[in-house]
Amino acid sequence: QVQLVESGGDVVQPGRSLRLSCAASGFMFNKYGMQWVRQAPGKGLEWLAVIWHDGNHTYYADSVRGRVTISRDNSKNTVYLHINSLRAEDTAVYYCARDAAPIVVVPVAMNYWGQGTLVTVSS
Amino acid sequence: DIQMIQSPSSLSASVGDRVTITCRASQGIRNDLAWYQQKLGRAPKRLIYAASSLQSGVPSRFSGSGSGTEFTLTISSLQPEDFATYYCLQYNNYPHMFGQGTKVEIK
Repeated sequence: QVQLVESGGDVVQPGRSLRLSCAASGFMFNKYGMQWVRQAPGKGLEWLAVIWHDGNHTYYADSVRGRVTISRDNSKNTVYLHINSLRAEDTAVYYCARDAAPIVVVPVAMNYWGQGTLVTVSS
Repeated sequence: DIQMIQSPSSLSASVGDRVTITCRASQGIRNDLAWYQQKLGRAPKRLIYAASSLQSGVPSRFSGSGSGTEFTLTISSLQPEDFATYYCLQYNNYPHMFGQGTKVEIK
């Protein structure tokens, strides 16, 4: 069955960087786009980024563009989210999620989610 | 960017009640809308996609409707396990955008 396991969440100081990982299994990873979504404590869901199945296209939310990079390694079935210049408002649970359909060339929603990894930005 | 306005932000209802949640898009998104349910401390779960298609395994008391800019999620008869927060998501283009969420609480 489809499994997504996030890791890399930590307590980090403001201004530092962090890389989150999401290990995928149970499906043909190189055929699916992958997305990241976050949720600050007590707040709603915020879509962050997507990377297409081949890694050739990435898109970002305005709120994080320029400070966040999504990437993937299809040989390791893993997608990453690198966050620079961390701020207090980046404190959140970060979820990775899989596109609902394979090899798409149009935006699609997500149908499988990991359980999330917590990032806390604090001095 | 397309903005999603979801209402109400919260509601109180009893078991057996019919519940309706609405999302409005700032511009037309055809039927590129999904609904997610999230329970406390858990990852979201997709209920509806393409505005009205029921995700496999989701009870038939959940239904979605709408196209263009106005969308609705309806729970025909609220069950105890339905108390949760619900989000709409537009995926017509990037950046994707969630609504602000609707918390469904027990009356």
